Amino acid sequence: QSALTQPASVSGSPGQSITISCTGTSSDVGGYNYVSWYQQHPGKAPKLMIYDVTNRPSGVSDRFSGSKSGNTASLTISGLQAEDEADYYCTSYTSSSTPYVFGTGTKVTVL
Amino acid sequence: QVQLQESGPGLVRPSETLSLTCTVSDASISSYYWSWIRQPPGKGLEWIGYIYFTGTTNYNPSLNSRVTISLDTSKNQFSLRLTSVTAADTAVYYCARLSSGSRPNFDYWGQGTLVTVSS
Repeated sequence: QSALTQPASVSGSPGQSITISCTGTSSDVGGYNYVSWYQQHPGKAPKLMIYDVTNRPSGVSDRFSGSKSGNTASLTISGLQAEDEADYYCTSYTSSSTPYVFGTGTKVTVL
Repeated sequence: QVQLQESGPGLVRPSETLSLTCTVSDASISSYYWSWIRQPPGKGLEWIGYIYFTGTTNYNPSLNSRVTISLDTSKNQFSLRLTSVTAADTAVYYCARLSSGSRPNFDYWGQGTLVTVSS
């Protein structure tokens, strides 16, 4: 099972919006509405930001939103803030031999 | 607030067995799916496997023959054993809870523990 494809890096200025893509196949992203997104600051554990494509856990800022079209899921961060600078990973349920596949990860830089 | 805490040796010799335990607080392990995930230094996340409170397990096929995850409900803990380790198994190992059945929603994580495989 290959990792989901994410851009290596995305950057934006404070206040701007950025979007991170997560591309898979019809066996994972495209086949299920079970995509989640994680934020990871250096030296810290990942934090769940979005689950089931569009849902935010309690306590997560509404500046974070998720969507999906075909085999590509996206995470949008609106009103970019310095604290959003981190690595972001997507993951999806998959019908392959392993139930989960993670994305390659995207480093978000706030300029 | 649910808390997870990994514990175990930080250094394992090549060809030996890596053993880690995750202690769960403020949540019963007799519910949910419980998982191990690892992250080699500077690299991405890799799912290792999960165990359900019934004892049902599912492992990453890339590790399947070397990995065992078990539960100790009396101690509210679950454990990871990875045999025949090599340098490629050097990573930060996280334990995590799956919040929605077996969907990939890892809502609580341990802080992670670095395991180095070296002689």
